[in-house]
Amino acid sequence: QKEVEQNSGPLSVPEGAIASLNCTYSDRGSQSFFWYRQYSGKSPELIMSIYSNGDKEDGRFTAQLNKASQYVSLLIRDSQPSDSATYLCACDMRFGAGTRLTVKP
Amino acid sequence: GAGVSQSPSNKVTEKGKDVELRCDPISGHTALYWYRQSLGQGLEFLIYFQGNSAPDKSGLPSDRFSAERTGGSVSTLTIQRTQQEDSAVYLCASSLGQAVNSPLHFGNGTRLTVT
Repeated sequence: QKEVEQNSGPLSVPEGAIASLNCTYSDRGSQSFFWYRQYSGKSPELIMSIYSNGDKEDGRFTAQLNKASQYVSLLIRDSQPSDSATYLCACDMRFGAGTRLTVKP
Repeated sequence: GAGVSQSPSNKVTEKGKDVELRCDPISGHTALYWYRQSLGQGLEFLIYFQGNSAPDKSGLPSDRFSAERTGGSVSTLTIQRTQQEDSAVYLCASSLGQAVNSPLHFGNGTRLTVT
């Protein structure tokens, strides 16, 4: 069974803070890793993709991958209220249950 | 260009009836996926198509669920003898290449309610 686990939420941070979202996966053969954002009542949309060990930065978002530890994370710097959503970690085509993030003004 | 299109957007059916959900992927996308999302839950993988074949259909919950894809394009997910626990949002996604290495583009989903 290929499983993707995300840290339990909900997560609440003040505006301007760093939000840290974590994910582990069971299939050591996984090749591609994605973070999607899902607003309430909407479909998931891609935020970041990462394929190799290390960090990948895109604006306020940084994805981190450690294949040895089977661990993926997403950091959101200078969090904004508009970042409030559920964040879904995906490994290849399997998704975690999501972590709900609330950024308080 | 147009995104992933799903129809109907909402479907209410009686327990025991069959339903068909349709997905029209982005033109040129060879891979197509079906997921189910119950209220407040994550995405449950159902099936993946590459072209017209389904290399991975391990997520189909029971033999009441089936899916097909024709012409490397449109896909239909069929649920026979619907049950109340089938109520969920069914999401379709497509990607440009193989399942790995290609991000998914999602449709708006079909909200299925079984009464």
